[in-house]
Amino acid sequence: DIQMTQSPSSLSASVGDRVTITCRASQGISNYLAWFQQKPGKAPKSLIYAASSLHSGVPSKFSGSGSGTDFTLTISSLQPEDFATYYCQQYNSYPLTFGGGTKVEIK
Amino acid sequence: EVHLVESGGGLVQPGGSLRLSCAVSGFTFSDHFMDWVRQAPGKGLEWVGRSRNKANSYTTEYAASVKGRFTISRDDSKNSLYLQMNSLKTEDTAVYYCVRDGYYDYLWLLDVWGKGTTVTVSS
Repeated sequence: DIQMTQSPSSLSASVGDRVTITCRASQGISNYLAWFQQKPGKAPKSLIYAASSLHSGVPSKFSGSGSGTDFTLTISSLQPEDFATYYCQQYNSYPLTFGGGTKVEIK
Repeated sequence: EVHLVESGGGLVQPGGSLRLSCAVSGFTFSDHFMDWVRQAPGKGLEWVGRSRNKANSYTTEYAASVKGRFTISRDDSKNSLYLQMNSLKTEDTAVYYCVRDGYYDYLWLLDVWGKGTTVTVSS
């Protein structure tokens, strides 16, 4: 199975900050990497697929990059509605696997 | 608008069975792959399994943790996806999400999520 490791597991940031979350795969997954946002008590929401493509309706302040084993999710200017937990997920092979999540909290 | 509504969750004893349903609307269900993803209390997301569409012979994939105990099925005539869970364990306690797959860049991937249904396995 491909292990997905996210760092940090949590971070504190202020409104307006630029935030970067890292996701590392235990083996190469090309660009078959997705990102999801989950707010407390809510279902996850799909943000990014193919490492860098935004799903329809996702604001451009979110961006993704990477290929192979190392990936990043960047939020260019953090807003109150962006405080949430973010998960990466590989779809290169079965079983589909998620990172452990990164909780973005208000400083 | 795409909607996925899960139902069937509840309290069940260890060793028991439960069947979850996911009713969908707003898209052509028969064309799409579908998944179940779960989240234990205070934990991260765990993929449970996938149902492929008729064009792919309705084949399925499962996580090792549920293989042999859980079965995913679908009824395209009812726009519904199911998860039959047998031999339940306390570690199966979780919110279970029904997820539509979208076809992007020639690959199927998790796309639209339902709100989830809670399964509690406890004596």
